[in-house]
Formats: sequence, structure tokens, C-alpha cells
Amino acid sequence: SQKIEQNSEALNIQEGKTATLTCNYTNYSPAYLQWYRQDPGRGPVFLLLIRENEKEKRKERLKVTFDTTLKQSLFHITASQPADSATYLCALDDKIIFGKGTRLHILP
Amino acid sequence: EAGVTQFPSHSVIEKGQTVTLRCDPISGHDNLYWYRRVMGKEIKFLLHFVKESKQDESGMPNNRFLAERTGGTYSTLKVQPAELEDSGVYFCASSQGTYYGELFFGEGSRLTVL
Repeated sequence: SQKIEQNSEALNIQEGKTATLTCNYTNYSPAYLQWYRQDPGRGPVFLLLIRENEKEKRKERLKVTFDTTLKQSLFHITASQPADSATYLCALDDKIIFGKGTRLHILP
Repeated sequence: EAGVTQFPSHSVIEKGQTVTLRCDPISGHDNLYWYRRVMGKEIKFLLHFVKESKQDESGMPNNRFLAERTGGTYSTLKVQPAELEDSGVYFCASSQGTYYGELFFGEGSRLTVL
């Protein structure tokens, strides 16, 4: 069955630095991959979608890459701010299969 | 424009009782999804409606769970009878047309079964 792994449960990054989160998947070839943000007690909020034929997608301080050979997506937040602290979820297409998420803490 | 709304936000019931969760999607969104997050686990797909039809219900745990979507508008998810392992947060999401992706989620309904 399909499996998604996000590199770590929690990640601490100093304010102003670039945060990089990893999403790896197996036994699947998604047509696209998505990233969501989830704050405590709230529902996930869509951030970015990247298709299999796209290498990179940007939105403001966010950048996503998609390597279908490595079966990996990287999610970058540049010039990170404390307000970026949240759980970030990677999701594969179709039924939108979610990873467990990475809790990102931006330290002031 | 109103987002996806879910009710109740939190429900505490005893094992064996029945609970009905409701989801109102964004107006005009044909796709409606139910997901569940059990503590410590990832968000898991339950089922997908396209308008009033069940497109995919492969994630429904067992026949104690019944989902309906009346007239292609709001949806309900009934758990009867509830078991301890049904505790978790139930999320509803909606999206437009045939474009898979960019799901709009509700805030979730937390279910606690004692």
C-alpha cells in the first residue's frame, strides 16, 4: 500500500533561516502532491500543489520541489518567522493521502 | 463567503451510543470528503461524495459508519453504535468540480467515546 513519510515529527529552526521539510513516498506514482498547514485545533489549510511534470513551485516565501525519481518532495520556507510555526502536512493525490506531518517551531 | 462548517465541534458519548456529525461544504462545491485523525496517527481518508453520490467509500472502517449527502448539499456521518476506537477528530473538506486538490477543510468535529 502507499506510504508517506515526513522526515521528522518536529523541527526547530531559528527565525530568519530557511526551514526545509521532507516528504518521501513509496509504492505510488502520484500525479501531484500537496502541502497543507495545520494549526492546533484547526483544520488543514492548503498551501501549494505541484504536479508530476513540475520540478518546482513557488508562492511568496514558500517553495516546493518534486522529484519523481527519488519519490520525494521538499518544502522550503525562507526567511522563517515565528508565525510560520505549525504542523505541515504532505499529501498525495487521488484520495489525498496524508503524511503524519512535521511540527515546525520557529525560534525567535 | 462562508467556509466549510462542521457541527458539533466536540461530542462526548458513551460506548454504544449514536452520534451524527454534520458538514456544510462551501456552496457550489460538488466534492465532499470525510477524513478522520486518531491521536498520534495521520489524517485518514474515509469517503468522497460527488454531489449526492458516493464516489469512493473505501476508507470507511466498518458498517457502523454511515455517510449521507442530502441533495448534494450538506453531509452527515453517523456512527452507530460508537466504540472506543472511534474517538478522534473527524474532518470534512470540499472542493470544486473535477479539480482534485486544494481541499477546503472544516475545523473538525472531535469525538470522544467513553
